[in-house]
Amino acid sequence: GDSVTQMEGPVTLSEEAFLTINCTYTATGYPSLFWYVQYPGEGLQLLLKATKADDKGSNKGFEATYRKETTSFHLEKGSVQVSDSAVYFCALSDQTGTASKLTFGTGTRLQVTL
Amino acid sequence: KAGVTQTPRYLIKTRGQQVTLSCSPISGHRSVSWYQQTPGQGLQFLFEYFSETQRNKGNFPGRFSGRQFSNSRSEMNVSTLELGDSALYLCASSLSQGGKLFFGSGTQLSVL
Repeated sequence: GDSVTQMEGPVTLSEEAFLTINCTYTATGYPSLFWYVQYPGEGLQLLLKATKADDKGSNKGFEATYRKETTSFHLEKGSVQVSDSAVYFCALSDQTGTASKLTFGTGTRLQVTL
Repeated sequence: KAGVTQTPRYLIKTRGQQVTLSCSPISGHRSVSWYQQTPGQGLQFLFEYFSETQRNKGNFPGRFSGRQFSNSRSEMNVSTLELGDSALYLCASSLSQGGKLFFGSGTQLSVL
């Protein structure tokens, strides 16, 4: 079945450092890919998405490119802020595009310090 | 516009009891999905309802059930609670089936 693998956290960075959180997936066909963020005590928020190969999703300085050849969707940000501290989840929807039924990775906790 | 509202926020039950969780979607949203979040298994899809009908179902035992009302509000029920059912239960709504999901803050269920 479909699966998502994320790098284990926690990831601890100083403010203004470069961020990469790795995500790879296994799926049949052409899934849509997502990054969600969960701040303490809150539900998940969609951060960005990509629906086909070579698409780049971007939002709030975060970017991720759908790489079909490496089955990856790594999250990057050039300069992190303390307010980016949260748990980040990579997810995919199956090729039917049913974005309500998502397969999530285990999440990567990011802690940004001054 | 109010977000997705889940009640109660916290719940403590004992093994063998049953529990009902409630989710009020964003106004105008017709699809409601439920997820279970645990430290060990992460986020797992439970089911999705659209227009009062279950459209998708995850790999959970029959003790987990849900329903959706005509106003799109949804409830999920877990019967004969087990210790392993302790989790954060997240509800998400979307305008239509397969649309962008908006999550609530969840109901934290503890089974003792």
